Amino acid sequence: DADVTQTPRNRITKTGKRIMLECSQTKGHDRMYWYRQDPGLGLRLIYYSFDVKDINKGEISDGYSVSRQAQAKFSLSLESAIPNQTALYFCATSHLTAREGPSTDTQYFGPGTRLTVL
Amino acid sequence: QKEVEQNSGPLSVPEGAIASLNCTYSDRVSQSFFWYRQYSGKSPELIMSIYSNGDKEDGRFTAQLNKASQYVSLLIRDSQPSDSATYLCALGSYQLTFGKGTKLSVIP
Repeated sequence: DADVTQTPRNRITKTGKRIMLECSQTKGHDRMYWYRQDPGLGLRLIYYSFDVKDINKGEISDGYSVSRQAQAKFSLSLESAIPNQTALYFCATSHLTAREGPSTDTQYFGPGTRLTVL
Repeated sequence: QKEVEQNSGPLSVPEGAIASLNCTYSDRVSQSFFWYRQYSGKSPELIMSIYSNGDKEDGRFTAQLNKASQYVSLLIRDSQPSDSATYLCALGSYQLTFGKGTKLSVIP
């Protein structure tokens, strides 16, 4: 089974609809992230969470909200979808590991959700 | 705001050759650097991480980091058609900044 799962994998919706994308992980990681990817713009961070009670805005949080229901679950909501939110959305997880020198935080990505807003 | 620059490509190399991918960055504070591979329509997959100046080798892949010159590179030896993908450079710690990626095409 995949360590990081996302549902749905594909979604087509209409402008103004509320949409929720869900992410679950079995890696036991404490940190979770939501990114969107657009052609020519690369990956951009929407929100991230270091534990259940911690939520932080990323580079492009406007129009999005998140909920960290449990350590293993992190959902992304679009309250009122608009066409320029059409993109590929990725969830990622990480766990801070100590090593020689600065600590590091390797991120592992889910399979992605392709969202189309008409 | 961190900036991470990559040549978008496409970079075309013949099978068996060395592919060289480069990344420059503006942030002098970042301590962790990553290379991800992404096949079309798929999620990014970690290839290598590097934290110290110099080279780090893992199989056919070698990452090179030069913090003074603010660049990190990825060399792929004996390139295979299956290496054809977009390669993303990322840096930071908990909040990674990604480059837009370089598309590599390995020609049989």
